Amino acid sequence: EDQVTQSPEALRLQEGESSSLNCSYTVSGLRGLFWYRQDPGKGPEFLFTLYSAGEEKEKERLKATLTKKESFLHITAPKPEDSATYLCAVQGDSGGSNYKLTFGKGTLLTVNP
Amino acid sequence: DAGVIQSPRHEVTEMGQEVTLRCKPISGHNSLFWYRQTMMRGLELLIYFNNNVPIDDSGMPEDRFSAKMPNASFSTLKIQPSEPRDSAVYFCASRGTGGQPQHFGDGTRLSIL
Repeated sequence: EDQVTQSPEALRLQEGESSSLNCSYTVSGLRGLFWYRQDPGKGPEFLFTLYSAGEEKEKERLKATLTKKESFLHITAPKPEDSATYLCAVQGDSGGSNYKLTFGKGTLLTVNP
Repeated sequence: DAGVIQSPRHEVTEMGQEVTLRCKPISGHNSLFWYRQTMMRGLELLIYFNNNVPIDDSGMPEDRFSAKMPNASFSTLKIQPSEPRDSAVYFCASRGTGGQPQHFGDGTRLSIL
C-alpha cells in the first residue's frame, strides 16, 4: 500500500525566511509525485509533477525536488500570500492503476509579515 | 477556462435525509474523481470514472453512498440515508489524457446534524 508522510504538520515563517517542507513516501513503482496548494475553503490547486529522482521544478518562490524516498518543497523568501496548506501525493502502479493518488495530510504554512 | 464546478458549496441537513452533490468536470476531461476530506483521514478517493464508466468504487464507504455519471459533463454523489459521520468536505476532480494532473473543484462542505 502506498504511503505518504508530510512534515512538519505546521510551519510558521517570517516574511523572507526561507525553509523547506518534506514529503516522505513509499510506493510501488512511482508514476508521479504531485504537489498541490490548498487555501481555506478551496480545493487543492496543482503546483508540480515530478517523475524521477533528481528532477526539479520551479515556480516563482517554490522549488520542488525528488529523491527515491522523499520530496522537498523549498520556499525562498516567502510572502504572506504563500500561506496555505501544501499537499503531497504519489501515484504508483500497484494493480495496474494509472489514476490513484495517495495524499499526505499536508503542511500548514503560515508566513507572517 | 472554467474549472471543475461543484454544487452546492455548503449543505446542512438532518440525519436520515438524502443528500445529492453535483459536479461539472472541465470540458474535454475524460476522468472524474470524487474525494472526501476530513481532518483525521485527509483526502480519500471514493470513486473513479473513466469515459463516464465507474472503474474503481472501492473507496465508497458503504451502500448508503452511490455515484453516477450520466454524461461527460455531469456527475452526482448521493448519500441515502445520511449520518452525522458523513460530515466532511467532498471534492470532485477531473483529469485529461496523457498523464495530466487532477484538477479539483472547491468542494461541498457537508454537515449532517
